[in-house]
Amino acid sequence: EVQLLESGGGLVQPGGSLRVSCAASGLTFSSYAMSWVRQAPGKGLEWVSAISGSGGSTYYADSVKGRFTISRDNSKNTLYLQMSSLRAEDTAVYYCATSRSLITFGGAAWGQGTLVTVSS
Amino acid sequence: QSVLTQPPSVSGAPGQRVTISCTGSSSNIGAGYDVHWYQQLPGTAPKLLIYGNGNRPSGVPDRFSGSKSATSASLAITGLQAEDEADYYCQSYDSSLSDVVFGGGTKLTVL
Repeated sequence: EVQLLESGGGLVQPGGSLRVSCAASGLTFSSYAMSWVRQAPGKGLEWVSAISGSGGSTYYADSVKGRFTISRDNSKNTLYLQMSSLRAEDTAVYYCATSRSLITFGGAAWGQGTLVTVSS
Repeated sequence: QSVLTQPPSVSGAPGQRVTISCTGSSSNIGAGYDVHWYQQLPGTAPKLLIYGNGNRPSGVPDRFSGSKSATSASLAITGLQAEDEADYYCQSYDSSLSDVVFGGGTKLTVL
């Protein structure tokens, strides 16, 4: 059974930085493209970023381009999202998910999410 | 304003059939990109319900079905059960935006 466990969320001030992680098990991690999807409190889902299985290709939503960096360590079966220049509107639960397709997503397995709150 | 348009809410009585629409355009659903559907129960993470327009992952009951036509897609739920009460999201890809796009979500209430 595929399990994804996010961690690293918390309270950060506007303009600050934070790195969230996603530990994967039950799958050959390097074979899977992975994505981050976020959900602001009481709002819908928003795709944030995706990365290929090798880590060689990355994609970002315009709302986070230039501020967020997705990466992975296949030796540790872990996905990362480095967030900088954080804004209040980045406040959300951040989910990691396996991607059926690198470009078109189709999230097959999801973690339970980690809450990032940007506030002074 | 979501690129994919869903009704904010739908409702039905136990045992009934409900459908949730997802309306897109020529740059997403109409361009041939797959539509996926997710179910989000209260307080939990989304779960893939339908992938590739009409395919069910293992473990998803056949009460759930998906279809796609032109620039729209639909999720149908038959034999409605109380446990189906959740938020449902459609998702595709938009070539004009070069982005993965979600519908705004539909809250299903079982009366």
